[in-house]
Amino acid sequence: GQQLNQSPQSMFIQEGEDVSMNCTSSSIFNTWLWYKQDPGEGPVLLIALYKAGELTSNGRLTAQFGITRKDSFLNISASIPSDVGIYFCAGRSGGSNYKLTFGKGTLLTVNP
Amino acid sequence: SQTIHQWPATLVQPVGSPLSLECTVEGTSNPNLYWYRQAAGRGLQLLFYSVGIGQISSEVPQNLSASRPQDRQFILSSKKLLLSDSGFYLCAWSLGLGTGELFFGEGSRLTVL
Repeated sequence: GQQLNQSPQSMFIQEGEDVSMNCTSSSIFNTWLWYKQDPGEGPVLLIALYKAGELTSNGRLTAQFGITRKDSFLNISASIPSDVGIYFCAGRSGGSNYKLTFGKGTLLTVNP
Repeated sequence: SQTIHQWPATLVQPVGSPLSLECTVEGTSNPNLYWYRQAAGRGLQLLFYSVGIGQISSEVPQNLSASRPQDRQFILSSKKLLLSDSGFYLCAWSLGLGTGELFFGEGSRLTVL
């Protein structure tokens, strides 16, 4: 089946630093999604990307849909303590409208 | 606006006991519905999905079952829980003919002792 390689697995940063994480796949995706999960809660959709090359921002978050359609990255600028959580990438291929393939997540810790 | 709610939020059950987790979606019709399990290792594993009433697809063989008795209701069940069923269970929905964006419920923490 399809797999997403998400990296890094975890990050420890100081408040105010910028953060970058990415996902790569051996398969082409038509949609890339980025989620954040706070402890004990369900993941929340942050950014959705639908076209190769698309660059989308949501506040301090910026995500891009790779030109090859096999990768995506998420950047967080000027991190704050509430950015702590697990960030997941997810991709949807054109053959399935029902299922997403998820990365294993990046655990972000922000030291104040 | 659409909302999704699942309950109970936490559950502690003995091995061999039954399970029922419920999920409801409001504000949309004919959604696709999903059950995921998240183990301690963080990954999200798709257990079941449904594209309509009574239509259930299972992704992995397991001790659990799912049912969709109404358009916006999705139920995860087990007749006899195993220790390995412990985990964080997430219900989610997406538009039937949408772009694949998935929206999650608050999660249900199940501990089997």
